[in-house]
Amino acid sequence: QKEVEQDPGPLSVPEGAIVSLNCTYSNSAFQYFMWYRQYSRKGPELLMYTYSSGNKEDGRFTAQVDKSSKYISLFIRDSQPSDSATYLCAMRDSGAGSYQLTFGKGTKLSVIP
Amino acid sequence: DGGITQSPKYLFRKEGQNVTLSCEQNLNHDAMYWYRQDPGQGLRLIYYSHIVNDFQKGDIAEGYSVSREKKESFPLTVTSAQKNPTAFYLCASSRRLAGGSSYNEQFFGPGTRLTVL
Repeated sequence: QKEVEQDPGPLSVPEGAIVSLNCTYSNSAFQYFMWYRQYSRKGPELLMYTYSSGNKEDGRFTAQVDKSSKYISLFIRDSQPSDSATYLCAMRDSGAGSYQLTFGKGTKLSVIP
Repeated sequence: DGGITQSPKYLFRKEGQNVTLSCEQNLNHDAMYWYRQDPGQGLRLIYYSHIVNDFQKGDIAEGYSVSREKKESFPLTVTSAQKNPTAFYLCASSRRLAGGSSYNEQFFGPGTRLTVL
């Protein structure tokens, strides 16, 4: 079983839809969770950064962490064509010297006008 | 503007050549990282450095070398020993958390696409 599983998609939705992107993981030591957005041929851009369980909202984006289920989600409200990109989840533990991120393989999202 | 720059954006290499990819950051971050991204494979860590003049191998270091002579610079050399170097290379940096030895979230540069001819 891979450490982080992420459905690669592609996921295609109409403009204005609510999008749900998800990752599951197996390592219970993970405490920090991130979502990155990557446009084609560009570097990943950090969207959301959360610690432990709970929700975090930033504009149209909401990140949700459920540590008991080892499941994280990113919701995009009122999706726009400019949201079309690949979304990567990443996570790490909180141990001393912790630095290494474990990434999902990314979900490719297309928002159709 | 603070950020991470990578150059060149595109690089072509002949078989048997070594090439060096540049990564510079002006964020005053302590740690820097190199990743390789292949289609369908996600990001894989090549090398990382938490402090000047020190660096460690990541998961796929074979055929690569790095140096960290300055805090803001972390160049990656792709040697002729790397069997399949065609990929998208990403540099990242992060700040050490205050009072601890763990590191904050990573910020990425725009990437270098390397193609072997």
